[in-house]
Amino acid sequence: EIVLTQSPTTMAASPGEKVTITCRASSSVSYMYWYQQKSGASPKPWIYETSKLASGVPDRFSGSGSGTSYSFTISSMETEDAATYYCHQWSSTPLTFGSGTKLEIK
Amino acid sequence: EVQLVESGGGLVQPGRSLKLSCVASGFTFNNYWMTWIRQAPGKGLEWVASITNTGGSTYYPDSVKGRFTISRDNAKSTLYLQMNSLRSEDTATYYCTRGPTVASFDYWGQGVMVTVSS
Repeated sequence: EIVLTQSPTTMAASPGEKVTITCRASSSVSYMYWYQQKSGASPKPWIYETSKLASGVPDRFSGSGSGTSYSFTISSMETEDAATYYCHQWSSTPLTFGSGTKLEIK
Repeated sequence: EVQLVESGGGLVQPGRSLKLSCVASGFTFNNYWMTWIRQAPGKGLEWVASITNTGGSTYYPDSVKGRFTISRDNAKSTLYLQMNSLRSEDTATYYCTRGPTVASFDYWGQGVMVTVSS
């Protein structure tokens, strides 16, 4: 099983601040996927194939990485970005998710 | 508009069974793999089961293998999850999702709550 380790677990950022979340895989994966989940709502696809933005996602979001190390960046934090973000791999079964990063507005 | 609407959740005793349904609309159902993903209260996401577009193959993690069965009726655009021998650790919100696709799980239902408790 590929374990995905996200860091940090929680963080707070001020409006306009740059935010970076990392996701490390216990074995190499082909791509990383990211989901956004707000309280009480279903997760939404956010970034796919490591760096492609899902439909409707603002371009202040970006993703990068390869192998076992991936990152998710918000270039300039906005209040609406407060949410929990999960990384995910489906390079091998079982499909796995990171434990999530709760991002709050400061 | 793509819609996935789950039903069938509720309170069930340990060891009992429950069957979830997910009615899909807004896309050609039989062109897509489908997947159930769950989320225990206050916890992260966990893959539960996937099925190919034809229903010919199914996939499960060890945590539910042998207890849960995913199936589909393409004529009715409906996905199912039969859950047997339920345990307290199966308590979660269960999401019906389209995928994995190139964009992984690109549509999610609103989720249905399953509580396993005596």
